[in-house]
Amino acid sequence: EDKVVQSPLSLVVHEGDTVTLNCSYEVTNFRSLLWYKQEKKAPTFLFMLTSSGIEKKSGRLSSILDKKELFSILNITATQTGDSAVYLCAVAPRDNDMRFGAGTRLTVKP
Amino acid sequence: NAGVTQTPKFQVLKTGQSMTLQCAQDMNHNSMYWYRQDPGMGLRLIYYSASEGTTDKGEVPNGYNVSRLNKREFSLRLESAAPSQTSVYFCASGRSSPGYTFGSGTRLTVV
Repeated sequence: EDKVVQSPLSLVVHEGDTVTLNCSYEVTNFRSLLWYKQEKKAPTFLFMLTSSGIEKKSGRLSSILDKKELFSILNITATQTGDSAVYLCAVAPRDNDMRFGAGTRLTVKP
Repeated sequence: NAGVTQTPKFQVLKTGQSMTLQCAQDMNHNSMYWYRQDPGMGLRLIYYSASEGTTDKGEVPNGYNVSRLNKREFSLRLESAAPSQTSVYFCASGRSSPGYTFGSGTRLTVV
């Protein structure tokens, strides 16, 4: 059974801290791994990773994939209160199929 | 703005009532999806439609039906709502690569 596990489930930090969110997966086939940010409503796309060892960056956020060990991490440096959200990891074993983890709820305190 | 539009945003139903959730996208995507999101369980796929005229079951299809009315619209119907269907429902469109676009969600409560 395809499975995506995120850790920790929740995290509370203070502004300026650096955080690392984890995503491990077991899937019958692998096409891509995606990270989404979900604030009040719809998840919004952050990164898509398909190749091991290549870091994707966007401002203070970065992510990397390890296909051998079947995991990905999402790093956020110099956190801000606006980073407070649920971060979702998803793995696409095939087209038209995306399996989501339960998410990590990040709270950044001023 | 281009994207995925869902209606309604909120709904309260009594057990046994029926309702249809509407979804429309204007990005010319072939594929559309319905997910439900429950606390601690992430997003789970209910049904998807790979193209106009086709629909397929996802992980949790029981108690739901769907209709792909045309390329733009994909509706989700609850024929006889149950409290276990209390959830937040998201419609999405696109492909797993480069990633889906999600609607803003429908919060459904069944009492």
